[in-house]
Amino acid sequence: DADVTQTPRNRITKTGKRIMLECSQTKGHDRMYWYRQDPGLGLRLIYYSFDVKDINKGEISDGYSVSRQAQAKFSLSLESAIPNQTALYFCATPHPGDGNTIYFGEGSWLTVV
Amino acid sequence: EDQVTQSPEALRLQEGESSSLNCSYTVSGLRGLFWYRQDPGKGPEFLFTLYSAGEEKEKERLKATLTKKESFLHITAPKPEDSATYLCAVTSGTYKYIFGTGTRLKVLA
Repeated sequence: DADVTQTPRNRITKTGKRIMLECSQTKGHDRMYWYRQDPGLGLRLIYYSFDVKDINKGEISDGYSVSRQAQAKFSLSLESAIPNQTALYFCATPHPGDGNTIYFGEGSWLTVV
Repeated sequence: EDQVTQSPEALRLQEGESSSLNCSYTVSGLRGLFWYRQDPGKGPEFLFTLYSAGEEKEKERLKATLTKKESFLHITAPKPEDSATYLCAVTSGTYKYIFGTGTRLKVLA
């Protein structure tokens, strides 16, 4: 795998609070992705980044922002969390030996109450 | 617009009862089709990458095949530990990965 680490693994936050989910990878690949998973809706792309200066919106970017602090780090922020952002969030990146296939972290459970 | 549709949504099999999962796709310039396995609350685990029509790949009881419009994940003589959700995804030259909603597989002992 691409050694993708996500923190926190679980978080409960209140409506209106700012929350940041962090992702780091140890394999040094340029591309990194943030996905959201909801039951019955599959994995939906929030943001993706090709390098530190190249960040792109996915299909559901509204209400989210990202920061690529370094090649190995890609953070997802909810500036003002709302209950329908309760979901399982995944970060992904390719393995250097297989640039077409993305590998996922273990996920971050976020509950907004 | 790139799109992936998986069927069936859910499948229950008896142990040893072989079956196939379907992934239909539309994409401009396929760069890869991917199969993942996902256990509840876990991150998707990579299974296969297929690049061109006619390609096949195998791993234990799983075999993935690809045509120009769809892919199949064949499960031969499944065991209860094969129970999981199986996800299909595609990417094109944009390197956006589009996922289907998955097939929930339950294998009964």
